[in-house]
Amino acid sequence: SQQGEEDPQALSIQEGENATMNCSYKTSINNLQWYRQNSGRGLVHLILIRSNEREKHSGRLRVTLDTSKKSSSLLITASRAADTASYFCPTVDYNQGGKLIFGQGTELSVKP
Amino acid sequence: DAGVTQSPTHLIKTRGQQVTLRCSPKSGHDTVSWYQQALGQGPQFIFQYYEEEERQRGNFPDRFSGHQFPNYSSELNVNALLLGDSALYLCASSLGTLNTEAFFGQGTRLTVV
Repeated sequence: SQQGEEDPQALSIQEGENATMNCSYKTSINNLQWYRQNSGRGLVHLILIRSNEREKHSGRLRVTLDTSKKSSSLLITASRAADTASYFCPTVDYNQGGKLIFGQGTELSVKP
Repeated sequence: DAGVTQSPTHLIKTRGQQVTLRCSPKSGHDTVSWYQQALGQGPQFIFQYYEEEERQRGNFPDRFSGHQFPNYSSELNVNALLLGDSALYLCASSLGTLNTEAFFGQGTRLTVV
C-alpha cells in the first residue's frame, strides 16, 4: 500500500521517559510529515522533513529520515501526560493532488 | 490568525437523512480537502476542492458531494445517511493542491442512528 505505516500500534510509557515511534513507507517521497491527534480531535501538524534532510528538531521532537530504508522515526524526549495522543506519518500522493494517505497511527499513552 | 474552523462540532442524524458540514480554511489557504475518520482508524481522503472545483476524489460513493465557495470555504454534503457514515469528518486546508503542509480543523463528529 502507499500509506505510511506507523509502528508500534500502541506505546505506553511513564512521564519523563522518551518515546520513539517509527514510520515506513513504500513510495518515493518529496517530504514526510508527522501529525498528532488528541483523542477524537483534529490533527496537528508537528514537523515536516524533506527528502534531502536526515534529521530535524523542533522543541522536544526529533525526526529522522532514511530514504534508503524508506523509514522515519519520531522521538519525543522527556514525555509529558499531554503528549498522550495518536501520531501519524501520512504519505503524499502527488499523482492525486497531494492527498494524504494515512496509516492507523501509533497510539501513545504517557502515564503521570 | 484563525486556523481551520469546522461546524458543527457534533451532529446526530437519522439514517436516510442528509447532512451538510462546513469548513473555513486557514487564512491565505485556497485548497480544502475532506477526510473521514472511523473510530480507531486513520483518516481516509474523500475529496479535494480548489478553485471551486472538485480536483481529486477518494473511494467514496456519489452520496458524498461537496462545494467550494469564492471565499475558499467549503461544504461536505452526505445524502441518504447510513449507519456506517458515523465518523469524525476532518477538513484540511493548504496553499495549492500539493498539500506540502496541511492544516486540519477540529472535525465534526457525525453520529447516524
